[in-house]
Formats: sequence, C-alpha cells, structure tokens
Amino acid sequence: KAGVTQTPRYLIKTRGQQVTLSCSPISGHRSVSWYQQTPGQGLQFLFEYFSETQRNKGNFPGRFSGRQFSNSRSEMNVSTLELGDSALYLCASSLVRLGHYEQYFGPGTRLTVT
Amino acid sequence: AQSVTQLGSHVSVSEGALVLLRCNYSSSVPPYLFWYVQYPNQGLQLLLKYTTGATLVKGINGFEAEFKKSETSFHLTKPSAHMSDAAEYFCAVSDQGSGGSNYKLTFGKGTLLTVNP
Repeated sequence: KAGVTQTPRYLIKTRGQQVTLSCSPISGHRSVSWYQQTPGQGLQFLFEYFSETQRNKGNFPGRFSGRQFSNSRSEMNVSTLELGDSALYLCASSLVRLGHYEQYFGPGTRLTVT
Repeated sequence: AQSVTQLGSHVSVSEGALVLLRCNYSSSVPPYLFWYVQYPNQGLQLLLKYTTGATLVKGINGFEAEFKKSETSFHLTKPSAHMSDAAEYFCAVSDQGSGGSNYKLTFGKGTLLTVNP
C-alpha cells in the first residue's frame, strides 16, 4: 500500500506571497493532520481534518488554513508568507477506527521563504 | 494541557551498546504514547505505540518501550545499537479522544542519537 505523499517536496517563495501544499493520505485513511517542524519550535500541530471538516486546530495565525476533499486528499495554504514560515511541513494520515490511533507521516514539504 | 519532555537533546553510544532514550509526559487523561524516528531529509516513521493493555510494547528494528504510569514515563530502549540507528527520535502523546476524535500529537523536542563505531 502506498504511503502518504506530499507535493511539492521543496518550495522557495518570497515574503508576502502565498503557497499551497498538497497531501494524499494512505488509501482508506480519512483523517489528515498537518504539522510544522522548525529547529527552534520543533514539531507543532497545525490542524486536523476528517470527512472534509476541521476537527482540531493548533495555535497558529489565520494565515494558515487548510481543507480536505471528498477523496480525503488535503491541502494547506499559507498566505502573506513571512520569513518565520520557513519550515518542514509534514502531513500525517490516520485510520479512524477504534484501536487505531497512530499517524503515518509523509516525507514533508520543505518551504523556504526569502 | 499535554506536554512531553525528552531528557537529553543528544545521546551518543557505541555500536553494540544499550540505547536508552528518555521520555516523560504530562497528561490530564490516560494518554496514548508514541515513539517516532526521523532520518535526515525524511518524514517521521512510527517505531511503536502504547494505547492500552500491556505496558511493555515492542516496535520495529528491535526497539521497545515501557509505559510507567506512576513515573509518567515512556522510555525507549534497544539492547544493542547499530550504526543504522543514528537518527533523531521523537516521543509524542495524544489524548484518548472519545470515538478516536482526537488525533493531535504533542511532541517532545527530540533526541539526536549518534552511534559510534
């Protein structure tokens, strides 16, 4: 079974621009979560989607948004990019079933803001 | 609020030696606990998990961890380190959300494991 895929893998943007990152979960997984990883703050939860609905949100400004489609694929968008948004953005998918609470991560998208 | 503390941002061991990576958590409800490993320029790979039941859990690549509620700990061990174990390791906790509705992971800061020949 294919793993979580994320596109693009690398991205360079200029401050003030916006960016959209994409995530395709493992087949059959209906929950998709997003995390930001930086050297200073570590791994931080952004948000989680299930059945096209945001169920949980981390402590990030409104510039960070996401959505999930009917096929469980998810996108996250960051508007008005700041230098501090440079990070590895990780997507994770989960099988929403009793007893299965682990998340499986994709390889990430490395975003550099200049 | 939940939190995870990983003692030691950098652990160095010799090949063949015991690996011990420490993790303590704080949670107001019974937690689900996880260990993940991250190799350079890659995502996170699940090593093992504790949800309910047996407190000693075995994972991939010879790793295991023991959930100790009284000590709020979930330390990761491996009897004999291999060069390929060199990576960064993250401990994470999530709540036992009702109906599995809570998939928010709170991570520790990570421990970089170096294995010396």
